[in-house]
Amino acid sequence: DAGVIQSPRHEVTEMGQEVTLRCKPISGHNSLFWYRQTMMRGLELLIYFNNNVPIDDSGMPEDRFSAKMPNASFSTLKIQPSEPRDSAVYFCASSLRQGKNTEAFFGQGTRLTVV
Amino acid sequence: DQQVKQNSPSLSVQEGRISILNCDYTNSMFDYFLWYKKYPAEGPTFLISISSIKDKNEDGRFTVFLNKSAKHLSLHIVPSQPGDSAVYFCAASDSNAGNMLTFGGGTRLMVKP
Repeated sequence: DAGVIQSPRHEVTEMGQEVTLRCKPISGHNSLFWYRQTMMRGLELLIYFNNNVPIDDSGMPEDRFSAKMPNASFSTLKIQPSEPRDSAVYFCASSLRQGKNTEAFFGQGTRLTVV
Repeated sequence: DQQVKQNSPSLSVQEGRISILNCDYTNSMFDYFLWYKKYPAEGPTFLISISSIKDKNEDGRFTVFLNKSAKHLSLHIVPSQPGDSAVYFCAASDSNAGNMLTFGGGTRLMVKP
């Protein structure tokens, strides 16, 4: 398996523009996570899907952020409108929820810069 | 409110010696703990884990120790190698509340040749 695939790797956009980040989880995994990494807050969980259903979105910063998982092999994280403070590295991760094993596999991340 | 804390932002160790990375947590419901390693411009990669029913788990040069009463875990790397230089993240989860991971702030390990 190619692992978790994220696109794009880098995104530079102007303030106010819409940004869409994409993720393909590992085939067969039933849980998907979006994390954001910043210097100030480290790795913080934004939203978590289980079997394509959003379970916990309490980490989503505000209404400008939305995430979807239309099927088991694809998820998007959208920011509209984007702001400079959204600049960060966004990671997608997936795992197979079985028993108590919760090892998650991460993609390489999308570095977002909002100018 | 940080539920998982890594109080040392950085650690420098000589090649061949032991590296000890520490992590503290506050949520007593956490029952599964993991360590991830992260190189620049890459995603975190899983290293080793431990269930709350154990107090030690070993995998080659890597050993994780868990002290539930102190809500503390540590990662030992013996012997340390220059290729181990990376940022190490501690993570924890409450299996009864979903399998999302709560991460510490990370510790940058530098292993000097």
